[in-house]
Amino acid sequence: SAVISQKPSRDICQRGTSLTIQCQVDSQVTMMFWYRQQPGQSLTLIATANQGSEATYESGFVIDKFPISRPNLTFSTLTVSNMSPEDSSIYLCSVDGQNSGNTIYFGEGSWLTVV
Amino acid sequence: QKEVEQDPGPLSVPEGAIVSLNCTYSNSAFQYFMWYRQYSRKGPELLMYTYSSGNKEDGRFTAQVDKSSKYISLFIRDSQPSDSATYLCAMSGTGFQKLVFGTGTRLLVSP
Repeated sequence: SAVISQKPSRDICQRGTSLTIQCQVDSQVTMMFWYRQQPGQSLTLIATANQGSEATYESGFVIDKFPISRPNLTFSTLTVSNMSPEDSSIYLCSVDGQNSGNTIYFGEGSWLTVV
Repeated sequence: QKEVEQDPGPLSVPEGAIVSLNCTYSNSAFQYFMWYRQYSRKGPELLMYTYSSGNKEDGRFTAQVDKSSKYISLFIRDSQPSDSATYLCAMSGTGFQKLVFGTGTRLLVSP
């Protein structure tokens, strides 16, 4: 499976600010995804990051709040904009498993606390 | 009703016990079934992947899928303290479809 690196691994952010999370993969992948995992909750897909086109957002998530870039097949960023305490969560980058059905592999996550 | 239901636990067992983790689902279109393990403050790690019904074994881990009952299980034999983690089931239909995750079961294996 691909090695997925995320930065930052954790951060404490002030209310109203924005933070960009970077995701780097050690091989070219077709699909990259961003998930959110709120405390005590399961994983919720935010969007699919498409190389060379706009990201595809899931219901309840909008581009103004979570802008995403995908400049090439190994890199993506997710920005959490105008943060509030409700945005305190783990944000996970993931990539498709290529030849393993619909499996996906996750990075270590970025733990954000908004104060 | 959620598409995927999973008992949140925690499930506490002694070392060496056989552990059974389960998920039920409502969408009969699901064909791919996965189990992820998530240690505290880490990203989920893919443990097992199965397609359609049947069993799959990998070392101490066995995944079972019963599509007629819409029920999947993960068995862990000879459980170890290092197995203490949250176990998430996930599933999807055919073609490229997004995964639907359960809420996870927290497992505690005591020495």
